[in-house]
This record gives sequence, C-alpha cells and structure tokens, in this order.
Amino acid sequence: DTAVSQTPKYLVTQMGNDKSIKCEQNLGHDTMYWYKQDSKKFLKIMFSYNNKELIINETVPNRFSPKSPDKAHLNLHINSLELGDSAVYFCASSQDLGQGSNYGYTFGSGTRLTVV
Amino acid sequence: GESVGLHLPTLSVQEGDNSIINCAYSNSASDYFIWYKQESGKGPQFIIDIRSNMDKRQGQRVTVLLNKTVKHLSLQIAATQPGDSAVYFCAENKGFGEETSGSRLTFGEGTQLTVNP
Repeated sequence: DTAVSQTPKYLVTQMGNDKSIKCEQNLGHDTMYWYKQDSKKFLKIMFSYNNKELIINETVPNRFSPKSPDKAHLNLHINSLELGDSAVYFCASSQDLGQGSNYGYTFGSGTRLTVV
Repeated sequence: GESVGLHLPTLSVQEGDNSIINCAYSNSASDYFIWYKQESGKGPQFIIDIRSNMDKRQGQRVTVLLNKTVKHLSLQIAATQPGDSAVYFCAENKGFGEETSGSRLTFGEGTQLTVNP
C-alpha cells in the first residue's frame, strides 16, 4: 500500500481554470504538508496542517486553498490558474511529536501541473 | 533569511567510487538534519538523518557527517552505483523531540548526482 498517495499524477489545464489535487496518507501521521518544486528542483513549503488545523501558511497566493476533511487527507484547490503555477506539487506527512527515530517527512510521488 | 544550501549543483562520479555531497546551513538553531534522495519522477525519499548532538551516523553504504562549528553537513556514499543517480537534498529542522506541531523542514537546493558506468 502506498503510504502517501496523491492524485492526479499529471494535470494539464488552461489558464483561468480551477483545479484540485488530492492527497491521502495511511501512516496515521498527525501532520500533512504541501510543497511546491520549481523547475530548478527547489522545494518550498506551502502549507502545513496538524489534525485538520492549519499550522503553516507561507506566502502563497490566496488562489491556493488547502482543505483537510480529516487528518488523513489534505487536498489542494487552486483557483484561476496562472502560467507561473506550473510546477510539481508534493504532499507529505510526518509524525512530529518527538516519538520514534524518524522525524522526517514521507512524500507522495508528486503531481506535475502544467498550465497552458 | 536563513536557509540550507548546497555547495555544488552537480556531481559526476564513476561507478564504484565513493561520492561526497556537501551542504552548508546557516541556522545555528537547527537540531535535526536529513538527507533525501529524489529519483526522476518520484518524491523525495528519506536516506539518513542526524541529530545535532551527534557528529557522525552510518547507514547502509551511506554516512552523514555533521560539523556544527562550521555549519556543514555531508553525505558520503560508498561504492556508488548507477541506482544512486538522483538529486540529493539536505534538509534542516528545529525542535526535535519537542511536543510541538508544525515542524518546518527547510530544504537546500539539491545536488544532481550522476554515476557513470
């Protein structure tokens, strides 16, 4: 079973459209994240949710709206898509209460968004 | 602002050689560091981590060294194989072990490792 799964894997859409990317984790982690990876491979955090509560909200346009219906899901909705939104978006999860030896994140396989 | 960065964007090695990937960080408050490997078309994958109270940690064919004096982190891969070709990221975090939510993992820019047969 995939630990962190996100859909779709590829998304091609026109400027101005609204689209959503879904993410689910079956690891029982409390915290989930969305990261954006640009064409130079730089990974930048966008949002973080802990038990459905927004914890981190970086300087991201308000066209991006995360939704967490439960702690196993964190979806990303993007309104009025722009060319600059083209990137790979990664969902991740972590158990960050100091328990266990792996304090790192488990990432999904990414969603490549192309806005044309 | 404070960030984690890498010295070299690309590294090319011969199969069987040892590889060393370097990372410099500037946040002296960081107490936990992780190396990730990202293969083409996949998400970053955990390789090895180290806490700030350690200066060396070994895994299977990989070793991470931490020099807090100069804020330097390195990943050593022994007997590099073609399957090791990927982008490698170091990442930092703060507050390891604290019961706080909202940890922020900050990534460096990545080093593309190419292993030549």
